[in-house]
Formats: sequence, C-alpha cells, structure tokens
Amino acid sequence: EAGVTQSPTHLIKTRGQQATLRCSPISGHTSVYWYQQALGLGLQFLLWYDEGEERNRGNFPPRFSGRQFPNYSSELNVNALELEDSALYLCASSPGLAEPSHKTQYFGPGTRLLVL
Amino acid sequence: AQSVTQLGSHVSVSEGALVLLRCNYSSSVPPYLFWYVQYPNQGLQLLLKYTTGATLVKGINGFEAEFKKSETSFHLTKPSAHMSDAAEYFCAVSMEYGNKLVFGAGTILRVKS
Repeated sequence: EAGVTQSPTHLIKTRGQQATLRCSPISGHTSVYWYQQALGLGLQFLLWYDEGEERNRGNFPPRFSGRQFPNYSSELNVNALELEDSALYLCASSPGLAEPSHKTQYFGPGTRLLVL
Repeated sequence: AQSVTQLGSHVSVSEGALVLLRCNYSSSVPPYLFWYVQYPNQGLQLLLKYTTGATLVKGINGFEAEFKKSETSFHLTKPSAHMSDAAEYFCAVSMEYGNKLVFGAGTILRVKS
C-alpha cells in the first residue's frame, strides 16, 4: 500500500513569491493535515482538511492557505513568502471521522522549502 | 490545553543497552498518545500509539511504551539498542477537538558502538 506522497521534495523561492506544495493521502483516507517543522520551533500544526472542508487551523497568518480536492489530495499555498517560512512541511493523512482510527496520522516525507 | 514534555533533548546509549525516552503529557480528557521517529531528512514514521485498552503497547522495531495515567506518562523503551535506532523521536498527543497533534520538542537518540 502506497504511503503519503508529497511534491516537490525541495523548493527554493525568493522572498515575496508564492509557494505551492502538494500532498496525496493514503488510499482510503479522507483527512489531510499540514505541519511545519522549522528549525528551533519544532512541529507546528497548520491545517486540517476532511471531505473537502477545512476543519481546523493552527496559529498561522492567512497567507498560509490550502484546499482539498475531490480525490482527497491537498495543496498548501504560502503567499508573500518570508525568510522564516523556510522549513520542512509535512503532510499527514488519516481515515475519516467516522472511522475508529481517525486520530492516527501517517506522515509523508515532506517538502523542504527554502526562502532566499 | 494539551501539551507534551519530552525530558532530555539528547540521549546517548551503547549498542545493546536499554533505551528509555521519557514523555509526559497534560490533557483534560483521556488522551490519544503517539510516538513517531524521524530519520535525517525524512518524514515521521509511526512507532506506536495508545488509544484505549491495554496500557502497554508494542510497536515496530522492538519498541514499546506504557501509558500510566497516574503519572501522566508515556515513556518509550526498547530492551536492546541497535545502531539503526539512531534518530529523533517525537511524542505526541491528539487534541480533544480538531484532531491536531501536539508534539513534544523531540529527543535525539545516539547509539554508540
């Protein structure tokens, strides 16, 4: 069974540009989560999507946004990039809310974003 | 609010020795608890989880953890360390609402030959 996949693996942008990161969940999972792992800041929750709807949002500015597509894949957009946005962005997926294991998240390999 | 504290940002053990990584949590409701491992330049891999039921949970690669409600702890152990266990380990608790995971700061495990 294929795991969570993310693309691209690395992304280099300059300050002020926009970045788009993509994630495909494990087959059958309807929930997708985004986390930021920045040096010195640990793992921080960004967003949670389930069945195409945003269910929860972390303490990040509005320039961090995303969406979930009908096939449950997801996209994270970061506008007006700042140097401190440089981080590893991890996507995770889990079964839907109706499933007993809906709180168990499986992570992808991440996208490393570097803002120059 | 739920939180996780991992005692010791770095732990060093000899190959073949016991591995003990400490995790304490705070939660106002029965928690869902997880341990993840992260190898360099990779994502997080689920080691084990506690949801309900048996308080001693076994995971992959010979790891296990025991949920102790009275101590609000969920320490990770492995009887005999291997060189391949060298990595960073994260303890996490699932929020009551919103499904988000709250992570500890991580513990880097070093295994000496």
